[in-house]
Parts: sequence; C-alpha cells; structure tokens
Amino acid sequence: DGGITQSPKYLFRKEGQNVTLSCEQNLNHDAMYWYRQDPGQGLRLIYYSQIVNDFQKGDIAEGYSVSREKKESFPLTVTSAQKNPTAFYLCASSPSRPGRNNYGYTFGSGTRLTVV
Amino acid sequence: AQSVTQLDSQVPVFEEAPVELRCNYSSSVSVYLFWYVQYPNQGLQLLLKYLSGSTLVESINGFEAEFNKSQTSFHLRKPSVHISDTAEYFCAVSDTGTASKLTFGTGTRLQVTL
Repeated sequence: DGGITQSPKYLFRKEGQNVTLSCEQNLNHDAMYWYRQDPGQGLRLIYYSQIVNDFQKGDIAEGYSVSREKKESFPLTVTSAQKNPTAFYLCASSPSRPGRNNYGYTFGSGTRLTVV
Repeated sequence: AQSVTQLDSQVPVFEEAPVELRCNYSSSVSVYLFWYVQYPNQGLQLLLKYLSGSTLVESINGFEAEFNKSQTSFHLRKPSVHISDTAEYFCAVSDTGTASKLTFGTGTRLQVTL
C-alpha cells in the first residue's frame, strides 16, 4: 500500500541534544512538508520541499533543519537551538502537478517529541 | 496569501444531533478548499475537497460542505452525528495558481456524547 511512514512514533530528547525525525513516502510525490502541531494552534509549516535537493523555510523554521537527497525521504532534525521542541510533528506529501483525483496532502501518522 | 478562520475551537453535540463546523477563508485569488479530520495521536485524513464545479461536496461518511464564494465560507455539516465522529477537524485552503501549499485553520474539536 502506498503511504507515508513516520518514525519513531514517540521520541524523548534531553535538552541540548539534536534529534532526527524520519519521513518516508512511496507515493511518488514530488512535494513533501513538515508541520508542527501544538494544542490550540493548528498546524504550522516548518519546511517544505518541492523537488529533490531543494527546500524552503516555512513559517517557523528556526531551530530546525531538513535535507532532501532522495525523492522518497525528507528527514527533519530538531536542533538544540529550538527553544521549545516538545510537540507533535507531522509529515505530508503531495503531487507537484495535482489533478482532480489526486489533489491534496497525504499525511503520516506523526511523531510525538518530548524534551525531558 | 491566504488565511483560514475556524471560529469554534470546540463544538459539543449529542449523538444523532446535527452539527455545523464553521470555516471562513480570506484570499485575493481563486481557491481550492479542504476539510481534514484528525483522530487522537494520528495524522490528518482528507474528508472532502472543493476544486471546481458543484459548490456542494460530500464525503463517504455523511459529511457535506458548501462553498459560498460571496461569504467566503466552506462550512462542514452533518445531519446526524455518531460517537465515532469525535475528532479534530481542520479546514484548509490553497490558491489555484500555486496549487501546492495548503494553509490550515486552527482546528475545531468535535465532541459527540450520548
């Protein structure tokens, strides 16, 4: 089955450590996205990539980094510079040329990051 | 740039009652509109979408939404809710030109009780 896999589902990090969240898709989508979700704030865009080896900052990119070396993979690193990293992180993908039957995002099941 | 407003952060409703979740958007260009549903500790799932054509769109589980261009709204309705509809619902918009990035509302928590 085609879809997006995020791992791990739960992640604990000590203050001062960098951690990397995995996102893999087998939908052959060109575009991939990372969102952060906090209670009452909806989804906020961290980074997105519309093509391999290229990515753009979203609304809250500070303290995060990404890479897009392969079409299928878009890992997110939460660095020690991120002041408040505890949140639910969602990865999504979409076709770059959407048509009527394939428009919209497909989401992974999320990673819950907790700083301890 | 687009924006989405979901005025109701929580909507409590009894089972079998009707419900309406409100969504208003702001955009200077033509838009595509979406509703997504999120169950606890899961990702978002597409519920329904408006791209063009009929302004009334329906999902397979009884939800419907109507695009109202003059009121810039895309409210979600269901005539009779079930306990299993308890979830967070997100409205989203993208412009037809870039046809890529979605802007999401802050979500509405639908709580269905007996």
